[in-house]
Amino acid sequence: EVFLVQSGAEVRKPGESLKISCKDSGDTFANSWIAWVRQMPGKGLEWMGMIYPDDSHVTDDSHIRYNPSFQGHVTFSVDKSIKTAYLQWSSLKASDTAIYYCARGVLWFDSWGQGTLVTVSS
Amino acid sequence: DIVMTQSPDSLAVSLGERAIINCKSSQSVLNRSNNKNYLAWYQQKPGQPPKLVINWASTRESGVPDRFSGSGSGTDFTLTISSLQAEDVAVYYCQQYYTTPLTFGGGTKVEIK
Repeated sequence: EVFLVQSGAEVRKPGESLKISCKDSGDTFANSWIAWVRQMPGKGLEWMGMIYPDDSHVTDDSHIRYNPSFQGHVTFSVDKSIKTAYLQWSSLKASDTAIYYCARGVLWFDSWGQGTLVTVSS
Repeated sequence: DIVMTQSPDSLAVSLGERAIINCKSSQSVLNRSNNKNYLAWYQQKPGQPPKLVINWASTRESGVPDRFSGSGSGTDFTLTISSLQAEDVAVYYCQQYYTTPLTFGGGTKVEIK
């Protein structure tokens, strides 16, 4: 069974940067897409995009897919050596306040992290 | 983007009764080359991440009770809970994976009457 463990809740001010993490405790990290999903307070689920950790065979960005609604505002990355995926903002907005989930899968998502609550407030 | 519309927004069902949730996509999610509908259903309980219940519109995930069933094709889909149990209280979401961006329905909240 794959367990995805996310970093803890964060509070930031508008304009600040942030990087949250998702660590895979299983053995499939290098061969599984990791997606990021946003859930704003009291709202539904939004797919932000996904990243394939094993980029050793690619020479372009085909191992990363961004939802156009989020592209340019967030950045996905991975550290294969510690089986961890990251979601990063360089300049947060109040509207980024939400729970962010990482999830394993490219079509559907059969394993989810517990979620990271990000609060952006002045 | 494919827009997923769920109905109703919420429903209250007596224990042991049937709950039916509808999901409609703005375009077909049926891949005619393999005759598969690219649709999943999730259950989200308060304070928890979503849990996959069904994929390919009607295939139950391992460990999901058989009171959960999915049906439909093309643009119209249904999740049925045949005999509602207390532990089924949750918000249910449909999701299409026919094309990116992957999109979810707005959710249906199921409560006990």
